[in-house]
Amino acid sequence: GENVEQHPSTLSVQEGDSAVIKCTYSDSASNYFPWYKQELGKGPQLIIDIRSNVGEKKDQRIAVTLNKTAKHFSLHITETQPEDSAVYFCADNSGGGADGLTFGKGTHLIIQP
Amino acid sequence: DAGVIQSPRHEVTEMGQEVTLRCKPISGHNSLFWYRQTMMRGLELLIYFNNNVPIDDSGMPEDRFSAKMPNASFSTLKIQPSEPRDSAVYFCASSFTTAQAPQHFGDGTRLSIL
Repeated sequence: GENVEQHPSTLSVQEGDSAVIKCTYSDSASNYFPWYKQELGKGPQLIIDIRSNVGEKKDQRIAVTLNKTAKHFSLHITETQPEDSAVYFCADNSGGGADGLTFGKGTHLIIQP
Repeated sequence: DAGVIQSPRHEVTEMGQEVTLRCKPISGHNSLFWYRQTMMRGLELLIYFNNNVPIDDSGMPEDRFSAKMPNASFSTLKIQPSEPRDSAVYFCASSFTTAQAPQHFGDGTRLSIL
């Protein structure tokens, strides 16, 4: 079936440094790629998304890049802060129907003070 | 604005019992999704409704699982009979029914089947 692979599974960075999380997808028909942040005991929270008609999108310290040819997309967090510590999930819309999401397995981001 | 509301937040029950999880989507959203999260399998889509009609239930694991959406503001996911391997966190999400519309998640129901 369709799948989304996410790396790394754990990422530890010093506060103030940048963090990059990478995902690859297999379904050529996928055209929507959201990123979610999940804190302990909470549901996933959408932080940024990108559609297949653009290659990059930025929102303050967060940016996402998309390479459709290579079928990969990445999340970039700059000037990391302690509150960025969480599990981050990438996804694409290959999960079913027109918009069901298929998720990566998640990256546990740890910001070291 | 109220987000997606799920109840109960936690459920502990013995195997064989019926379990009903509830979801109230964001007002105005007409797509609703049920997901399940486990350590082994991550987040998986179970079923997807559009305008209260099930569109894709290919992710529902077995006939023991059923979902309904009797109106635009309420959905249920039922497991009968429950088994220990059903233990997971179940999330409901909703969105507008436009292509690539962002999905907003509730805080989930943590289900433990003993």
